[in-house]
Amino acid sequence: EPEVTQTPSHQVTQMGQEVILRCVPISNHLYFYWYRQILGQKVEFLVSFYNNEISEKSEIFDDQFSVERPDGSNFTLKIRSTKLEDSAMYFCASSMGAGAGTGELFFGEGSRLTVL
Amino acid sequence: KNEVEQSPQNLTAQEGEFITINCSYSVGISALHWLQQHPGGGIVSLFMLSSGKKKHGRLIATINIQEKHSSLHITASHPRDSAVYICAVNPGNTGKLIFGQGTTLQVKP
Repeated sequence: EPEVTQTPSHQVTQMGQEVILRCVPISNHLYFYWYRQILGQKVEFLVSFYNNEISEKSEIFDDQFSVERPDGSNFTLKIRSTKLEDSAMYFCASSMGAGAGTGELFFGEGSRLTVL
Repeated sequence: KNEVEQSPQNLTAQEGEFITINCSYSVGISALHWLQQHPGGGIVSLFMLSSGKKKHGRLIATINIQEKHSSLHITASHPRDSAVYICAVNPGNTGKLIFGQGTTLQVKP
């Protein structure tokens, strides 16, 4: 069964360092997303990406964050200069469509980021 | 006020019991998702609903758009159903889901 894969599963970094989280969405999906979950809190939307551009982003997704689909298979989330409060589980997801008909989401297993 | 509220927050059941988890929301939506989060943290999509009812195995999800309410039912619960169940709504068509706080279910043998 096709699945969304994320790497790394866990990354520990020092505050101020750049981090890149990688995702390989399901191959025929067209919509890609990043969500995050701070320990003990709700899952939060970060950004959605379609047709090689950001279609929507949340207030959390400030200038420190960027996304890219560099080669048609990977979908990356970059945090330029990590802060302590960026420590969270980051989930990548993909879907065939975005509406009620084909917008079922498929999630990766998550990348846990710990900023020291 | 949270836009998506789930109840109960925590639920303990005996194996075999019928379980209901409720979700109320306050915004207009195009779809509602029920998700399962494993103890290890991974998230699996259980259902996406825009109307009516869906069934998959022992799981049933219903939605009442007029009342802005959805329920997830688990029949003949089993310890392997122990997980966090999350309701999330899609107010538009961009995947910008609004998540509930989750319901932690423990099913005891």
